[in-house]
Amino acid sequence: QVQLQQWGAGLLKSSETLSLTCAVYGGSFSGYYCSWIRQSPGKGLEWIGEINRSGSTNYNPSLKSRVTISVDTSKNQFFLRMSSVTAADTAVYFCARTPVATPHFDLWGRGTLVTVSS
Amino acid sequence: QTVVTQEPSFSVSPGGTVTLTCGLNSGSVSTTYYPSWYQQTPGQAPRTLIYNTKTRSSGVPDRFSGSILGNKAALTITGAQADDECDYYCVLYMGSGISVFGGGTKLTVL
Repeated sequence: QVQLQQWGAGLLKSSETLSLTCAVYGGSFSGYYCSWIRQSPGKGLEWIGEINRSGSTNYNPSLKSRVTISVDTSKNQFFLRMSSVTAADTAVYFCARTPVATPHFDLWGRGTLVTVSS
Repeated sequence: QTVVTQEPSFSVSPGGTVTLTCGLNSGSVSTTYYPSWYQQTPGQAPRTLIYNTKTRSSGVPDRFSGSILGNKAALTITGAQADDECDYYCVLYMGSGISVFGGGTKLTVL
């Protein structure tokens, strides 16, 4: 059974860089994009961006200038980096998998709470 | 800027039927947007309900169905149960790898 496990630093200060990892266990990236999605406290979900095993990326235009998503296929892991964080970036960050053939999020990580303090 | 619209809240009686919608601030939703629907309870990751407009995800009961109604995507829940009370999100695929979430609908069963 394929699972997504994610981890990363949960407490940051303003202007620091957020860094999260998502590992795919029991399967591979082949045929999928892997996405990052976030949810601010009490708010809705926001798509951040995605990457495939070849390293091709797509980003939310509103976050593109601060976000980098990368992949290490040898480890079946993908990564999120977000620079210059502020309190507005405080959120639960989810990784998720997207089948290339039918765009949607078919498998989710459990989420990582990232809190940015000023 | 593309905005995906959902009703902020909705209520349904136990055993009743409710239809939640997912629209665009400009234009109509069609199957080419690959509408998908997610259910989220507090503190949990979303659960995938419907994708590709009307395909139910594995394990999702047939009380949940997806469609296009007029110019919007729709999620219909029949025989509403108490544990259907949670938040529902739709996602539209805009092409070029861009996905946009709706603001979510908080469903109350009472």
